[in-house]
Amino acid sequence: DADVTQTPRNRITKTGKRIMLECSQTKGHDRMYWYRQDPGLGLRLIYYSFDVKDINKGEISDGYSVSRQAQAKFSLSLESAIPNQTALYFCATSDLSGLAIKPNTGELFFGEGSRLTVL
Amino acid sequence: KNQVEQSPQSLIILEGKNCTLQCNYTVSPFSNLRWYKQDTGRGPVSLTIMTFSENTKSNGRYTATLDADTKQSSLHITASQLSDSASYICVVILSGTYKYIFGTGTRLKVLA
Repeated sequence: DADVTQTPRNRITKTGKRIMLECSQTKGHDRMYWYRQDPGLGLRLIYYSFDVKDINKGEISDGYSVSRQAQAKFSLSLESAIPNQTALYFCATSDLSGLAIKPNTGELFFGEGSRLTVL
Repeated sequence: KNQVEQSPQSLIILEGKNCTLQCNYTVSPFSNLRWYKQDTGRGPVSLTIMTFSENTKSNGRYTATLDADTKQSSLHITASQLSDSASYICVVILSGTYKYIFGTGTRLKVLA
């Protein structure tokens, strides 16, 4: 089984519908992230969480919300989907912890992605 | 402004040939730099990490270099294979905030 699992892998929905993308991890990491990937724009940060009680907005959080249900679970919601939210969404975890960064830490472990199409 | 720029945007090479991908960054303070490989429709996977004191690091046919003075990194792929066809993303971590700064990637296609 994958260390970071995303569901659904593909979803087609209509404008105005509520959508939830789910992410679960078995890495035991505290830090989890949601990214959006669009062609030519690279990965952009939507939300991130350093632990269950610590959730932060990223650079493109408008129109999205998140829930950290447990250390292992981090969900992304689109309350009212719109066509320009059509994209590939990735959940990731990081092996960073606390304030100390060791030389070989900071690796991001990505899920397989959730492709969302909003019509 | 913290930025990571990659070149070229895309590259097509024949199987067996070598290639070099470039990453220039204006990120400060710098912690480390990673190269990720992303197969089409899949999540990125780390290939190698470069810390401030490292100049060269190899991972099989992949060799990464880092010049901290000029703030440049490169990823050299030797004897390319069809399976090297992917996007390669350069990511820099800011020291202190541990924020990730992503490049937009280089899309590599290896032809038989």
